[in-house]
Amino acid sequence: KAGVTQTPRYLIKTRGQQVTLSCSPISGHRSVSWYQQTPGQGLQFLFEYFSETQRNKGNFPGRFSGRQFSNSRSEMNVSTLELGDSALYLCASSLEYSRLGDNEQFFGPGTRLTVL
Amino acid sequence: GQQVMQIPQYQHVQEGEDFTTYCNSSTTLSNIQWYKQRPGGHPVFLIQLVKSGEVKKQKRLTFQFGEAKKNSSLHITATQTTDVGTYFCAGPIRAGNNRKLIWGLGTSLAVNP
Repeated sequence: KAGVTQTPRYLIKTRGQQVTLSCSPISGHRSVSWYQQTPGQGLQFLFEYFSETQRNKGNFPGRFSGRQFSNSRSEMNVSTLELGDSALYLCASSLEYSRLGDNEQFFGPGTRLTVL
Repeated sequence: GQQVMQIPQYQHVQEGEDFTTYCNSSTTLSNIQWYKQRPGGHPVFLIQLVKSGEVKKQKRLTFQFGEAKKNSSLHITATQTTDVGTYFCAGPIRAGNNRKLIWGLGTSLAVNP
């Protein structure tokens, strides 16, 4: 089975621009979560999608948004980029949605975003 | 706010020595997960602990979940160079109808051969 794939792997943008990142979960997985990873803040939860609906949300500003399609693929969008948005953006998929948050998550390789 | 603290931040050991990382939550967790991230890689799920006082072993790795379900530890016996990486703990925090997975900052393990 193919793992979680993320595109693009690397991205360089300038302040004020917007960016869209894509995530394809493992075949059959229906829950997708997004994380931002930086050296100082570690892994921070952005949001989780299941059945095309956002189920949970982290503490990020409205510039960060996402969506999930009927085939479980997900995209996240960051508008009006700031220097502090430079990070590794990780997508993780799980088989199903769990209210307890006890699902094993399978991570993709991430998208390294640099904002200049 | 609710957080998960992990110590130590870094650990340097000689190959063959033992290693332990500790995770402490400010709130009771329904479960705790451990992940390993190799340098340049992505987090890989190691294990999940659910029950109070639970102990699980995976070869040289021993995971414990505290009785109060607020702390956890990962112990590696006789480290090998393949153990190099950052070990993260993560637990779900619920706020109303919203749930998010809170991660510790990780413990980076370096092993000298």
